[in-house]
Amino acid sequence: SQTIHQWPATLVQPVGSPLSLECTVEGTSNPNLYWYRQAAGRGLQLLFYSVGIGQISSEVPQNLSASRPQDRQFILSSKKLLLSDSGFYLCAWMAGVDREQYFGPGTRLTVT
Amino acid sequence: AQKVTQAQTEISVVEKEDVTLDCVYETRDTTYYLFWYKQPPSGELVFLIRRNSFDEQNEISGRYSWNFQKSTSSFNFTITASQVVDSAVYFCALSEARTGANNLFFGTGTRLTVIP
Repeated sequence: SQTIHQWPATLVQPVGSPLSLECTVEGTSNPNLYWYRQAAGRGLQLLFYSVGIGQISSEVPQNLSASRPQDRQFILSSKKLLLSDSGFYLCAWMAGVDREQYFGPGTRLTVT
Repeated sequence: AQKVTQAQTEISVVEKEDVTLDCVYETRDTTYYLFWYKQPPSGELVFLIRRNSFDEQNEISGRYSWNFQKSTSSFNFTITASQVVDSAVYFCALSEARTGANNLFFGTGTRLTVIP
């Protein structure tokens, strides 16, 4: 069966520090991968998606970036965090024609 | 442009009551997909159901049922005999066939509280 992992689960970082969040998927090949952010008390905002290794599409201009160095690995990064980057970051994968996305446990980021 | 509206921000019901969560969508595509997800306090989104635009059959799964009506662009979710474990934020989402990466557009969610 497929499994999606995210780490770390929680993170507290000062403004201006770098960020690296990692997401890995097991049990599937060539999935679409997604990064979402959920601000406190709000809905989900799609940040990036990837349909293959090295292929990244950005939905929202910001100081975040994403990379996909391996088929089942998706990384969210920032060189300098802003207070507005605080939120709950969720990684998701989708494979096949079913179209439903399956989400990881999320990373709760607090920028201080 | 695509849009998903969940007008109910918060709902509280007493255990064993039935509750319906509303979802209204907008899309120009003739082929699209609708979803419901549950987000319990732990934060992880749990997939509940997917419906294709060409299949208007309602669906029932245990205490859960979904009513898809293209005429009113609605995809409502009913929980029968609610339980405390149903307390969560519920999101409705839309995916359009023309978006090659199958991106999901989410509503703002409805927080359901079931009071014991």
